[in-house]
Amino acid sequence: ETGVTQSPTHLIKTRGQQVTLRCSSQSGHNTVSWYQQALGQGPQFIFQYYREEENGRGNFPPRFSGLQFPNYSSELNVNALELDDSALYLCASSRTSGGDAETQYFGPGTRLLVL
Amino acid sequence: AQTVTQSQPEMSVQEAETVTLSCTYDTSENNYYLFWYKQPPSRQMILVIRQEAYKQQNATENRFSVNFQKAAKSFSLKISDSQLGDTAMYFCAFPNAGNMLTFGGGTRLMVKP
Repeated sequence: ETGVTQSPTHLIKTRGQQVTLRCSSQSGHNTVSWYQQALGQGPQFIFQYYREEENGRGNFPPRFSGLQFPNYSSELNVNALELDDSALYLCASSRTSGGDAETQYFGPGTRLLVL
Repeated sequence: AQTVTQSQPEMSVQEAETVTLSCTYDTSENNYYLFWYKQPPSRQMILVIRQEAYKQQNATENRFSVNFQKAAKSFSLKISDSQLGDTAMYFCAFPNAGNMLTFGGGTRLMVKP
């Protein structure tokens, strides 16, 4: 069983640029959630995708957007990068049925640095 | 909005000893899950244990167990026979509607040889 994978592992961008982060969900999972984790803090929920549609959103501005594809993989896009966007971005997948339904399994994260 | 509080920013324990990490949460829901995740320096968030609120029996996974007190909204994690590999940040997490996790601020656990 393949776990959640994310790419790239590290990324350096400059303020004002745009970035796309990618996530492949665990086999059998149909839901993907994205989190932002600033240094020394707990993760903050960005949004969740189910059936290729946004299924909930945290307190993040519209320049944070996403997609989910038919194979349940997902992208997180951030436009007009700001210095405060520097963080670890975590992707988690889950499924809506089964013994571990609603349990989120995380990928290794993408470390984004905005200069 | 649901909140999750971890009151111990840092803890340490000697190898082979037992340690308990605290977590409290606030919710008006009756049926829900609670989770403990571990984040070692490698930064990958790893599921430690899951508790279903409608189950009275506390969850156990090998050396990890929880003390779930639903009325008190308390969900502590006990690690028995601590090992050096248990050194990590530990996060308590509670899902809001739609399974969107709210995390506590974390407890940094150091296991000393």
